[in-house]
Amino acid sequence: AQSVSQHNHHVILSEAASLELGCNYSYGGTVNLFWYVQYPGQHLQLLLKYFSGDPLVKGIKGFEAEFIKSKFSFNLRKPSVQWSDTAEYFCAVNARGGYSTLTFGKGTMLLVSP
Amino acid sequence: EPEVTQTPSHQVTQMGQEVILRCVPISNHLYFYWYRQILGQKVEFLVSFYNNEISEKSEIFDDQFSVERPDGSNFTLKIRSTKLEDSAMYFCASNPGLVNYEQFFGPGTRLTVL
Repeated sequence: AQSVSQHNHHVILSEAASLELGCNYSYGGTVNLFWYVQYPGQHLQLLLKYFSGDPLVKGIKGFEAEFIKSKFSFNLRKPSVQWSDTAEYFCAVNARGGYSTLTFGKGTMLLVSP
Repeated sequence: EPEVTQTPSHQVTQMGQEVILRCVPISNHLYFYWYRQILGQKVEFLVSFYNNEISEKSEIFDDQFSVERPDGSNFTLKIRSTKLEDSAMYFCASNPGLVNYEQFFGPGTRLTVL
C-alpha cells in the first residue's frame, strides 16, 4: 500500500523567506507525484505534478519540486514566500495512470507573516 | 475554465438520517471520485467510479455508503444512516482518463452530523 509522509505539520515564515516542505512516499512501483494547495475556505488546487521526465518540476506561483527517486522524496520549494502563500499544502501520490487513487499526506499548514 | 462543482456547501443533519451529497464533474471526464477530510486529519480516499460502476473503494466505504451517476452530469454520494464520525469535508474529484492528467477537485461539502 502507498503511504505519504509530510514532515512538518505547521510552518511559520516571514515574507521573503525561503520555503522547503518535505514529502516522502512509500510505494513499490512507479508513481505520479503531486502537490496540492488549499487556501483558507477554498478547494484543493494543483500546484504542480510529476509524471515523468525532468525531475525538477515547476508549478504555479513560483513553486517548484524535485523528485529524488533514490530518496523517495518530492520536496516543495519556493525561494521567497508571500503572505498570500498562507495555506495548507498536501503532497499526494498515485500509481501509474493519473486516474488511479490518490494517497495524501497529512498536510502542512504554512503561515506567512507580513 | 471548467470546474467540478458540489452542492450543498454545508449540510447539517441529525445522526441516523440519510444525506445525499451532489457533484457535477467536469464534462467529458471519465473517472469520478469521493474523498473526505475529517477536521485536522488528512484527505482520505473513499471510492472511485468509472464506466458506471465502482472501480475501487476503501475500507471506509462500507455498506452505509453508495454512489450513483443518475444522469449524464451528476455524481452523488449517499450516506444511508449518518454517524457522528461521518462529520467531515467531502470532496468530489474527476479525471479525464488521459495519461498525465491530474484529478480535479471540487470545493467540498462540509457535513456536520449532530
